[in-house]
Amino acid sequence: DTGVSQDPRHKITKRGQNVTFRCDPISEHNRLYWYRQTLGQGPEFLTYFQNEAQLEKSRLLSDRFSAERPKGSFSTLEIQRTEQGDSAMYLCASSLAWSGANVLTFGAGSRLTVL
Amino acid sequence: GQQVMQIPQYQHVQEGEDFTTYCNSSTTLSNIQWYKQRPGGHPVFLIQLVKSGEVKKQKRLTFQFGEAKKNSSLHITATQTTDVGTYFCADLINAGGTSYGKLTFGQGTILTVHP
Repeated sequence: DTGVSQDPRHKITKRGQNVTFRCDPISEHNRLYWYRQTLGQGPEFLTYFQNEAQLEKSRLLSDRFSAERPKGSFSTLEIQRTEQGDSAMYLCASSLAWSGANVLTFGAGSRLTVL
Repeated sequence: GQQVMQIPQYQHVQEGEDFTTYCNSSTTLSNIQWYKQRPGGHPVFLIQLVKSGEVKKQKRLTFQFGEAKKNSSLHITATQTTDVGTYFCADLINAGGTSYGKLTFGQGTILTVHP
């Protein structure tokens, strides 16, 4: 598989629970991004990694959110003490740093529903 | 923060009719990217525009970047049912002369095509 893989595709959880999403980028891509998309809106930037370094975090990413990319390959996004407002599609994307065009390849997303 | 406005929000056309979506910003856009998201799918990169006044074509799709780099448009000639989806424009944020895939998306235009 040469695309961006995300797991799980769907997650239903109760308010207050913790959830973790995993993203496996395209293997040769060194940049990885997390975006969040709610119904009827465009994706919103959350955070960005170059290799294992987290270089930028949006203010949308509250202290309940943490993202890691420990070995510069796959990444995880954890949400602690989920709230109903966290319900959204969490999209991972990757790109190649020196591709010039900064073309993002998105995964299929992980849809979170907080009850 | 920067906002990218996209109109119309919805567009319903008969197959064979043309379609145009517009992207506007009150501030100068850096580089504009266009994405297509099929129903239930994820955003897929279509094209990037960099230069003022740039026009690019992909088969029935024509992309334009305004002379002042404050607006962009996507025009589809003779729509087909396969064109159904949401079309997003996104500004590629340029920080200190470097851009790395942080995008500010418009709200998208949902296109439906009646056969």
